[in-house]
Amino acid sequence: DAKTTQPTSMDCAEGRAANLPCNHSTISGNEYVYWYRQIHSQGPQYIIHGLKNNETNEMASLIITEDRKSSTLILPHATLRDTAVYYCIVTNDYKLSFGAGTTVTVRA
Amino acid sequence: GAVVSQHPSWVICKSGTSVKIECRSLDFQATTMFWYRQFPKQSLMLMATSNEGSKATYEQGVEKDKFLINHASLTLSTLTVTSAHPEDSSFYICSARPFSNRYEQYFGPGTRLTVT
Repeated sequence: DAKTTQPTSMDCAEGRAANLPCNHSTISGNEYVYWYRQIHSQGPQYIIHGLKNNETNEMASLIITEDRKSSTLILPHATLRDTAVYYCIVTNDYKLSFGAGTTVTVRA
Repeated sequence: GAVVSQHPSWVICKSGTSVKIECRSLDFQATTMFWYRQFPKQSLMLMATSNEGSKATYEQGVEKDKFLINHASLTLSTLTVTSAHPEDSSFYICSARPFSNRYEQYFGPGTRLTVT
């Protein structure tokens, strides 16, 4: 699976959009981009995934660049409950390799 | 929908004893279930993958005789930590991949194991 690079941490203001970047420059053609998050001491929560088109669901939007070498997860209106570690994972099968992720802190 | 439960949520056991952790998919059938371990301030590490009715596939470095996995049905997988030692103390998390949607994986709330 391709390796991903994410910032270690980021802060965002409550009510504002949070844009979480992920670099996956070695992604191959059949690999999907997945995003999960883990709130402290809980199991990870699936957010969204995509192959090459942008995707949106009730939780977030996923923007994948045309060359697929990077992507951005957008939380449109961050709340305090969105404070968590966010993981960007690239895979072409069922195995998920969790890196260090981005610790997102939403501040009031 | 897509709820995965784990039982117990936390357990304390003495060194040398065995502990069983259950993982259930409550509202869907799971083709495959996965077991992860997470040490404090670290990320999740995949331990093993199990398919219903077949033997689990363990990741490199995970002792299959120590971490026994049974996947008896499409909604239940169990992890037994045998002869537990203090270094086995960790957060154990399972996940399940729905039969109907292989692209998604849903995680349980985790089980905190403390071995004294």
